[in-house]
Amino acid sequence: GENVEQHPSTLSVQEGDSAVIKCTYSDSASNYFPWYKQELGKRPQLIIDIRSNVGEKKDQRIAVTLNKTAKHFSLHITETQPEDSAVYFCAASKGNAGKSTFGDGTTLTVKP
Amino acid sequence: DAGVIQSPRHEVTEMGQEVTLRCKPISGHDYLFWYRQTMMRGLELLIYFNNNVPIDDSGMPEDRFSAKMPNASFSTLKIQPSEPRDSAVYFCASSFRDGRPLHFGNGTRLTVT
Repeated sequence: GENVEQHPSTLSVQEGDSAVIKCTYSDSASNYFPWYKQELGKRPQLIIDIRSNVGEKKDQRIAVTLNKTAKHFSLHITETQPEDSAVYFCAASKGNAGKSTFGDGTTLTVKP
Repeated sequence: DAGVIQSPRHEVTEMGQEVTLRCKPISGHDYLFWYRQTMMRGLELLIYFNNNVPIDDSGMPEDRFSAKMPNASFSTLKIQPSEPRDSAVYFCASSFRDGRPLHFGNGTRLTVT
């Protein structure tokens, strides 16, 4: 089955700096890659996603890049703010299976 | 839409008792998922349904766990008998058609003493 590895497990940045979280996946048939943000005590919520026919997608301060050949994708957050502090999960799924495999999460701390 | 609704929000029970978690997916969503989240194991997929039919239950830990979806607007996850190692946050999620993206409920925090 699919295996998703996520790095780093923790990340601390100063407010205003950029943050990058990287994930690799094992199944070349995977074609959908969402990122979820989970604040403490809350539910995971989708922040951005990318499909395999696109190499990059941007939404304001958040961007995701996908390298299908290398089977890795990354989340980029620019101009970080304290409210960006949370756990971020990447995931991968394929076809119509509807079954997402999650990475282990990255705890991002943005210091004011 | 009210989103995915889970109940109860918190459940504290004694070892050996039966626990039932409930979920109402977003209206019109075809897929329903049950996840378990712990510090040690992260987010684990337990089981998912498509059009009320269980598709993959390979993540269900053991026979003590069972899940049903009697109709498109309701699902249950049952643990009988419960054990302390079942303590976790259980999330229900739903999605439309090909299953993406997931919309999570607020979760049920289960504590088994």
